[in-house]
Parts: sequence; C-alpha cells; structure tokens
Amino acid sequence: NAGVMQNPRHLVRRRGQEARLRCSPMKGHSHVYWYRQLPEEGLKFMVYLQKENIIDESGMPKERFSAEFPKEGPSILRIQQVVRGDSAAYFCASSHSRESEAFFGQGTRLTVV
Amino acid sequence: RKEVEQDPGPFNVPEGATVAFNCTYSNSASQSFFWYRQDCRKEPKLLMSVYSSGNEDGRFTAQLNRASQYISLLIRDSKLSDSATYLCVVTWYNQGGKLIFGQGTELSVKP
Repeated sequence: NAGVMQNPRHLVRRRGQEARLRCSPMKGHSHVYWYRQLPEEGLKFMVYLQKENIIDESGMPKERFSAEFPKEGPSILRIQQVVRGDSAAYFCASSHSRESEAFFGQGTRLTVV
Repeated sequence: RKEVEQDPGPFNVPEGATVAFNCTYSNSASQSFFWYRQDCRKEPKLLMSVYSSGNEDGRFTAQLNRASQYISLLIRDSKLSDSATYLCVVTWYNQGGKLIFGQGTELSVKP
C-alpha cells in the first residue's frame, strides 16, 4: 500500500508562472489536507478537501490559490502568477476519516526565482 | 491566543534523560489529538494518537487533560535519534475536521 504521493518533489518557477502541485492520497483515503511550511516556521493549514468537495479553505490566500480533489485522479493545489513569497514546502496529508490520523507525503519544495 | 500553542524550545537534554512537552489548545470542542515528529523539515510523521485515558508506546507516554485543555508528551530514556521537532496536532470537528498544528517543540539529545 503506497503512502501519500506528492509530485513533483521540487519545482522551480519564475515569477508570474503557474505552479501545479499534485497529491495522490493513500488507498482508501478520501480526505486530503494541504499545508504550507515557510522556512523557520511551522505548518500552516491551507485547505481540507473530500472527494469533489472543499470542506474548509480558511487557510487559503484569497487570490491566486485554488485546490481541487476530483472524483478521479489526484488532488491539485494550483498557484497562479507565483511570487517569491510563495517559495515554501507544500505538504499534503490524507486520512480515512476526519477522526483518524493523517499521513503525509514527502512534500513539494517550490522555489520562485 | 494561538489555536494550538507549544513552547518552541529548543530543549537540549543528555542521552538517557526524561523530557516532557506540553501543548495547549484554545477550542474546547477539539476532539482528536495527535503527536507528530518532523525531522529536518521533512514530512511530519505520526508518533502517536492521544486518548482521554492516556496512552503509552514504549518510551513515549501521551496524556490529555480536557479540563485544562492541554496534552503532554513524555519521553523516557532519550536517544540521540529522538532529536527532532515534535508537533502537537488537534482536530476541530465543529470546523469540519481540519487538523491544526502547533509550531512545534525542538528537541536536541546530546551524547
């Protein structure tokens, strides 16, 4: 049973480009969480999704950021018109239910140049 | 007040020492509690869930105090490999179930 898979592991984008981060949850998991970790800071909640639904997006910046978790395929975190401040590690986690523990992917390190 | 609060440390302890971390949370409706560890900015890994009755896993003991809204983690007989950042995690069901992380407590175990 493969764990949570994130790709790419490293992503470099120029300012103004789009970044698409993918997360495939563990088999049987229908709950997905995205977190951002800036250098020297803790994990900040961004969005919580279930299949085809956004449950809580209170941590998402109002502009340029969007997330989806379609019926088929991975969850996608999309950042449009990236800026240097978007450079961070983006972690995805999945769980079987909202009560159960979540397991993390290895993260995507986004660098905006 | 932060939603989940931890002392960032660092805690510097010798091998074999016992060390305890506390974590406080602000939402009394919180329902699930966990401790994770994070090494060198890698992905967080689940250390243990925290149950109301308290639970133990080898050298690690977790306690939950709902009245005072804090959870604790006790590590006995510290090993060098225990050096990491320990993250307190709380789930808020009345907000859909999102996991809220504390900023983490850094532990450094020295020979």
